[in-house]
Amino acid sequence: DQQVKQNSPSLSVQEGRISILNCDYTNSMFDYFLWYKKYPAEGPTFLISISSIKDKNEDGRFTVFLNKSAKHLSLHIVPSQPGDSAVYFCAAPVYGGSQGNLIFGKGTKLSVKP
Amino acid sequence: IAGITQAPTSQILAAGRRMTLRCTQDMRHNAMYWYRQDLGLGLRLIHYSNTAGTTGKGEVPDGYSVSRANTDDFPLTLASAVPSQTSVYFCASSVSGTEMYYGYTFGSGTRLTVV
Repeated sequence: DQQVKQNSPSLSVQEGRISILNCDYTNSMFDYFLWYKKYPAEGPTFLISISSIKDKNEDGRFTVFLNKSAKHLSLHIVPSQPGDSAVYFCAAPVYGGSQGNLIFGKGTKLSVKP
Repeated sequence: IAGITQAPTSQILAAGRRMTLRCTQDMRHNAMYWYRQDLGLGLRLIHYSNTAGTTGKGEVPDGYSVSRANTDDFPLTLASAVPSQTSVYFCASSVSGTEMYYGYTFGSGTRLTVV
């Protein structure tokens, strides 16, 4: 069973508009969440994170919102730029004993059109 | 430039052959990971290492093995490749296996095709 879900495989947005990427999760014990951005033929790069004790974290054009009651987080990009076209993954850490690792959603491909 | 180096960048491999994907980091990160990325399935963890000398199994470990002889290197070996192992493989590292607020640093990936 997927603990982190991205139900939209793709999203197309006009340049200058807002992009909203969504992520749902099932495990209420996650202590923080991360967003990664991936361009073709490159590795994912860390974009922004949010602690479970917060409901918003902002970094320039990127804002992540967390709704714990709904087990939902979203990444807002305002204004969207063509260079934002990439695959976006949300992720959360899981722990087993003293070891943790990140589990990822399946990703959403964002296309920003000029 | 500090980061993770993966080699080769891409490879076509005959089924049944053995292959080792190399991963080296120069950031002195304690934890390292191998993920595979498949269309529609996202990133799935194959194996991980919390520190040199220790390794563990992830979500999809079958057919793969790893070793962690030192802090910098974390090779992934396919003992006898099968077509279902065709994928893009990413190596990643983090400062600690227990503190991941700033996430991982990923390599650029190895695109492997098993024919």
